Amino acid sequence: GNSVTQMEGPVTLSEEAFLTINCTYTATGYPSLFWYVQYPGEGLQLLLKATKADDKGSNKGFEATYRKETTSFHLEKGSVQVSDSAVYFCALDSSYKLIFGSGTRLLVRP
Amino acid sequence: DAGITQSPRHKVTETGTPVTLRCHQTENHRYMYWYRQDPGHGLRLIHYSYGVKDTDKGEVSDGYSVSRSKTEDFLLTLESATSSQTSVYFCAIGQGEDIQYFGAGTRLSVL
Repeated sequence: GNSVTQMEGPVTLSEEAFLTINCTYTATGYPSLFWYVQYPGEGLQLLLKATKADDKGSNKGFEATYRKETTSFHLEKGSVQVSDSAVYFCALDSSYKLIFGSGTRLLVRP
Repeated sequence: DAGITQSPRHKVTETGTPVTLRCHQTENHRYMYWYRQDPGHGLRLIHYSYGVKDTDKGEVSDGYSVSRSKTEDFLLTLESATSSQTSVYFCAIGQGEDIQYFGAGTRLSVL
């Protein structure tokens, strides 16, 4: 069945460091891929998405590229801020339902 | 939170008691979902609805039932709560193969 695998956290970085959070997926066909972010005490909110191979989703300085050949959708940001501290979830669409990875907690220190 | 209200936001109950969580939307979205969030598991789908009175099971549906009598309301019921159902429950809405919008969550503790 369809599944999503994310790198385990927490990922701890200093402010202005480069961020990569790895995400790989297993799926039949070419599902839409998403990154959601959850700030402490809140629900999830969409960060970015990509709907087909080689698409790049971007938002708030974050980027992820839909790589069909490596079945990956890694999240990157060139310079993280303390306010980026949150839990990040990779997800894929499977027949109108989302399948999530286990989440990666990011801690950014001043 | 995209017009989604979950109630209650927090609940403590005892094993064996029935519990109902409510999700209310003002967006007129066709699809509504219930997920649970547990450490190490991310979010897992419990049940979802694709229209009034149209529901289906998700990955972790055992011990849960749902009802949707109106477009705007989706209820999740634990018929007889168990400690393994202690979790944070999220409702989400969407229009199908697209973005889902999430509520703020309900933290449920079953003692």
